[in-house]
Amino acid sequence: EPEVTQTPSHQVTQMGQEVILRCVPISNHLYFYWYRQILGQKVEFLVSFYNNEISEKSEIFDDQFSVERPDGSNFTLKIRSTKLEDSAMYFCASSPGQGHSPLHFGNGTRLTVT
Amino acid sequence: TQLLEQSPQFLSIQEGENLTVYCNSSSVFSSLQWYRQEPGEGPVLLVTVVTGGEVKKLKRLTFQFGDARKDSSLHITAAQPGDTGLYLCAGVRNAGNMLTFGGGTRLMVKP
Repeated sequence: EPEVTQTPSHQVTQMGQEVILRCVPISNHLYFYWYRQILGQKVEFLVSFYNNEISEKSEIFDDQFSVERPDGSNFTLKIRSTKLEDSAMYFCASSPGQGHSPLHFGNGTRLTVT
Repeated sequence: TQLLEQSPQFLSIQEGENLTVYCNSSSVFSSLQWYRQEPGEGPVLLVTVVTGGEVKKLKRLTFQFGDARKDSSLHITAAQPGDTGLYLCAGVRNAGNMLTFGGGTRLMVKP
């Protein structure tokens, strides 16, 4: 069964550094998402992406964050200048449609900012 | 902010017992999804309920969407150790795909 893959599984970075988290969504899916889960807290929506542009974003997704689909298969999340509070699990997801369409999540990237 | 409150947060039961997990909100959702998450993995969809009052069954799991589409429940009959995990409810608003997640219920079923 096709799945969403994320790399790396764990990323350690120093505060102020830029990080890029990578995702390969399921190939025939059209909608892509990033969610994050700070340890012990709820899974939170960051951004959704469709037709090569952001369709929705949360208040968490500020100017430090950006997303890109550079080559038709990868979907990336960039954090320009990481802060300690960016430490979290970052989940990529994709879906074939919107509304009630089920999301398929990757296994996440654990980002640790020191 | 649309909050989804799950209860209980933690549940430890013996194999064979029944249990119910609740997901409540003051907001209306167009649909509600239930996920299960294992350690080190992403959430995996169990079911989507769309219509108010809808009931869906998945083997020993029964999911219900409240008539007003503000709440949902997950009932597990004769729980087994393999049911151990984190259960998450997540609601979808009328427009878009943004999921609002509940805080999760961590279930442990002891043999």
